[in-house]
Amino acid sequence: QVRLQESGPGLVKPSETLSLTCTVSGGSITSYYWNWIRQSPGRGLEWIGYIYSSGSTNYNPSLKSRVTISLDTSKNQFSLKLKSVTAADTAVYYCARVPVHVGTGHPGWLDPWGQGTLVTVSS
Amino acid sequence: EIVLTQSPATLSLSPGERATLSCRASQSISTNLAWYQQKPGQAPRLLIYDASNRATGIPARFSGSGSGTDFTLTISSLEPEDFAVYFCQQRGNWPPYTFGQGTKLEIK
Repeated sequence: QVRLQESGPGLVKPSETLSLTCTVSGGSITSYYWNWIRQSPGRGLEWIGYIYSSGSTNYNPSLKSRVTISLDTSKNQFSLKLKSVTAADTAVYYCARVPVHVGTGHPGWLDPWGQGTLVTVSS
Repeated sequence: EIVLTQSPATLSLSPGERATLSCRASQSISTNLAWYQQKPGQAPRLLIYDASNRATGIPARFSGSGSGTDFTLTISSLEPEDFAVYFCQQRGNWPPYTFGQGTKLEIK
């Protein structure tokens, strides 16, 4: 079955760019939406955005100005870049797959998720 | 942005008891709601989608109901492994997907 694994630095300095990669194994990256979500004690679960296998993207309006999600189909990976980070961006970052919802043709539900990676923003 | 409000924040029950968790949306989302279970140190796991459909491999003791603005997750008879945090999530009006703040189900 498909598995997702996040990787990247666990510590990022304020004002710098957070970069994470999610590697997909056991399944194709085609015809799915690939998502990033984060979780912190103060903000709870927060959806960051997705990229579809065609390359189209959709971001949370609250983060849109700072976020870029990209896809590398040759490596079965997708990536997150969040620029100009502050302490408020400290969180566990998850990647997750979303299939096309059968009834609507729109993105469906987050399943499965990666195990998550803690990113701390601190100098 | 749709706000999801979960209640109660904490639910204390014993194994074998019935658990009823609530999620209320700030506006109608039809049946565009899912429930996730999260155990300490783990990622959330999809339990229920489209308000009432069990995800693959989820035991029949988990059921979901509701539409519009009011939704319920019911666990008919609690097993020890069911004690965890439960989140609801909507896709009825997005972006963005939004989540509830969670209900912690703890052993009494």
